[in-house]
Amino acid sequence: DQQVKQNSPSLSVQEGRISILNCDYTNSMFDYFLWYKKYPAEGPTFLISISSIKDKNEDGRFTVFLNKSAKHLSLHIVPSQPGDSAVYFCAANRYGGATNKLIFGTGTLLAVQP
Amino acid sequence: AAGVIQSPRHLIKEKRETATLKCYPIPRHDTVYWYQQGPGQDPQFLISFYEKMQSDKGSIPDRFSAQQFSDYHSELNMSSLELGDSALYFCASSLVPSANTGELFFGEGSRLTVL
Repeated sequence: DQQVKQNSPSLSVQEGRISILNCDYTNSMFDYFLWYKKYPAEGPTFLISISSIKDKNEDGRFTVFLNKSAKHLSLHIVPSQPGDSAVYFCAANRYGGATNKLIFGTGTLLAVQP
Repeated sequence: AAGVIQSPRHLIKEKRETATLKCYPIPRHDTVYWYQQGPGQDPQFLISFYEKMQSDKGSIPDRFSAQQFSDYHSELNMSSLELGDSALYFCASSLVPSANTGELFFGEGSRLTVL
């Protein structure tokens, strides 16, 4: 049962335009939602997160929006740069004391064309 | 800044052999997580340790075992290897205070190939 879903396996965007990556989840008990970026042969690196009590979090070119009623979040990258080309994983966390595991989506490969 | 260190980065084994992966968390992090990522798949949670005790368990096969040592490093032991165990194995670490944003810090992964 995939609790975190990214329905778009890939996305291609022109440099300078906006990239919008989407993520849906099924478990309403998640506390935090995170976006990780992954280059080939490297581990995932943290990009931005949002608490379940908020609907927006912004960090430079990256903004994450959360719609709890729709169980949907999205990552906006503007303006997109060629260096943003990577696989983006959406992840969710339900904080439970000594455990903090993340549940990942299947990833979206973003290609930013120069 | 020091990151999560994993070794070896690459490992090739035959079926039915045993493999051991090591993970050194970020200094002062008290929790270690192991994830398995198959080709074209999302990282799947295997197991985690908090203060050297198992804190959570995911889809880890019975053939696998793991532990966290007194210096907080962790080892993932895999026995009776199967072809399907070929994957990228990530270790991550975090500090688990009462307020937490959920961020885990990942190592670069160990790629296991079973022939």
